[in-house]
Amino acid sequence: EVQLVESGGGVVRPGGSLRLFCAASGFTFDDYGMSWVRQAPGKGLEWVSGINWNGGSTGYADSVKGRFTISRDNAKNSLYLQMNSLTAEDTALYHCARGNSNFDYWGQGTLVTVSS
Amino acid sequence: DIQMTQSPSTLSASVGDRVTITCRASQSISSWLAWYQQKPGKAPKSLIYKASSSESGVPSRFSGSGSATEFTLTISSLQPDDFATYYCQQYNSYPWTFGQGTKVEIK
Repeated sequence: EVQLVESGGGVVRPGGSLRLFCAASGFTFDDYGMSWVRQAPGKGLEWVSGINWNGGSTGYADSVKGRFTISRDNAKNSLYLQMNSLTAEDTALYHCARGNSNFDYWGQGTLVTVSS
Repeated sequence: DIQMTQSPSTLSASVGDRVTITCRASQSISSWLAWYQQKPGKAPKSLIYKASSSESGVPSRFSGSGSATEFTLTISSLQPDDFATYYCQQYNSYPWTFGQGTKVEIK
């Protein structure tokens, strides 16, 4: 069974940083690209970032480019999102998703709240 | 960026109804379109990819069609488990973008 479990969310002050984690299981992790998709409270879905199977290619939404960095460790079946210079507009539930274009499995998400 | 516009935003329907949700792209995306279902407090679930291909395990009452700029998701006979919000997503060109969602409510 495919499982994606996110962690690392929390409350952070504006300008602060957080690192999100996604633990993957139930499939061959390095066969797939992976992505982060976020959902602000009561709002729709927004693609944040994606990475190919070996980390050699990454993409970012304009809203996070230069502030967020996606990475992966295939030996640990793990996906990461380093988030810097956070603003209130980054407050959202962050989902890890399998795929680098369309997303066939999603995690439940980890909540990031940016507030002073 | 490619804008995705869904209609309607909210849809009231009864069990057994045929339901159609439309998704329009601001420019051609060929068939690079996916549909997702999301229930409150749950992760999205993939239903359809490449406009008309169903994910494994998705009930046959869900179908997708369309190409270029106009797409539809059809539920042939609405079931109680189908009341949810549905999103389309294009993956023709970066950044990938989603529609604003269509909430299917009980009439």
